[in-house]
Amino acid sequence: KQEVTQIPAALSVPEGENLVLNCSFTDSAIYNLQWFRQDPGKGLTSLLLIQSSQREQTSGRLNASLDKSSGRSTLYIAASQPGDSATYLCAVIPNDYKLSFGAGTTVTVRA
Amino acid sequence: GAGVSQSPSNKVTEKGKDVELRCDPISGHTALYWYRQSLGQGLEFLIYFQGNSAPDKSGLPSDRFSAERTGGSVSTLTIQRTQQEDSAVYLCASSLGGLGANEQFFGPGTRLTVL
Repeated sequence: KQEVTQIPAALSVPEGENLVLNCSFTDSAIYNLQWFRQDPGKGLTSLLLIQSSQREQTSGRLNASLDKSSGRSTLYIAASQPGDSATYLCAVIPNDYKLSFGAGTTVTVRA
Repeated sequence: GAGVSQSPSNKVTEKGKDVELRCDPISGHTALYWYRQSLGQGLEFLIYFQGNSAPDKSGLPSDRFSAERTGGSVSTLTIQRTQQEDSAVYLCASSLGGLGANEQFFGPGTRLTVL
């Protein structure tokens, strides 16, 4: 069974600092990996989808890397802002469609 | 364009009652998924619909849970004889196709509270 772990569970940084969020998974036979953002009481907003053939994906201040062989993905958020405060979830997708989620990293960016 | 919508946004019910949760996927998306997010369990897959194929119900926790998708669009998740452990946020997602290559887009969820 795929196990997805996110470290740290919570992170608090001052505005302007870069954020590094880690995700590890036990079964490297994944198809894709997807990063989401969740605001309190809200649904999930897709941030980035990395296909298994890719090593990284970028969108604005966000950059996500994927190393399938070591079972790791890292989400970098440059120059953090208070609006980046949220819970960030990674989900791995095996060769079908059932997302396996990590427990998330709750980020607080202090103004 | 419109995203995935879900209704109701909040539902409070008494133990033993039946509830129905609705999901409207993004227009043109053939795949639809239901997930559950609870404090103790995190996010877990419940059921998957793809076009006219038989749904994958492997994630449903008990036979009190059922779901249908009419006309390849709207889906309803039904929970019969609700229990307190059913309290959770129920999230619906849709994607263009059913394979892992397709990005899943989520709705805002329905928060279910069973008293």
